[in-house]
Amino acid sequence: TQLLEQSPQFLSIQEGENLTVYCNSSSVFSSLQWYRQEPGEGPVLLVTVVTGGEVKKLKRLTFQFGDARKDSSLHITAAQPGDTGLYLCAGPSKLTFGTGTRLQVTL
Amino acid sequence: DTGVSQDPRHKITKRGQNVTFRCDPISEHNRLYWYRQTLGQGPEFLTYFQNEAQLEKSRLLSDRFSAERPKGSFSTLEIQRTEQGDSAMYLCASSLAMRGAPLHFGNGTRLTVT
Repeated sequence: TQLLEQSPQFLSIQEGENLTVYCNSSSVFSSLQWYRQEPGEGPVLLVTVVTGGEVKKLKRLTFQFGDARKDSSLHITAAQPGDTGLYLCAGPSKLTFGTGTRLQVTL
Repeated sequence: DTGVSQDPRHKITKRGQNVTFRCDPISEHNRLYWYRQTLGQGPEFLTYFQNEAQLEKSRLLSDRFSAERPKGSFSTLEIQRTEQGDSAMYLCASSLAMRGAPLHFGNGTRLTVT
């Protein structure tokens, strides 16, 4: 099983701040997906990155896939309380999820 | 389509009892996955089906766990002789059978073993 390590594990910031979370592996992935999970709900897909070096934007969220396709990052600009949740990266086979980053955005 | 549904949402049981959870996937999805998730962690893969065939099982899935998808539609996950360590959220997801196809998750069944 390919392992995905996410960092940081927990992040507490104030509204308006910027942040970056990371997803790292020693394995090469053909693609990576990012999900967000809110308390009491299942994860919801945010984006799929496929090409090394690819950058995708989803409103204030910017996703990047590493050139070697071993890592990915998620950058949030001007975080809002609605961004609060558990952010998960996942490999293409769906058998492997990252360890997760729990984000809390306060007013 | 209303998405993936799981039943029950919550289950409290005493140690040693058997429990069964149900998952109804999105109707056109032929893949169905079961995961276990503990607080603050990512989902851990348990098993998955393509249509009615169970294609892979995690080493996490002890002999007390069994999953079925008899007609290739809904699935059940049974845990026999529950232990306190089984307490977790059990998530079901479905997808099309294409590499990279996104998973659509249900809202899970939270199991508490007392």
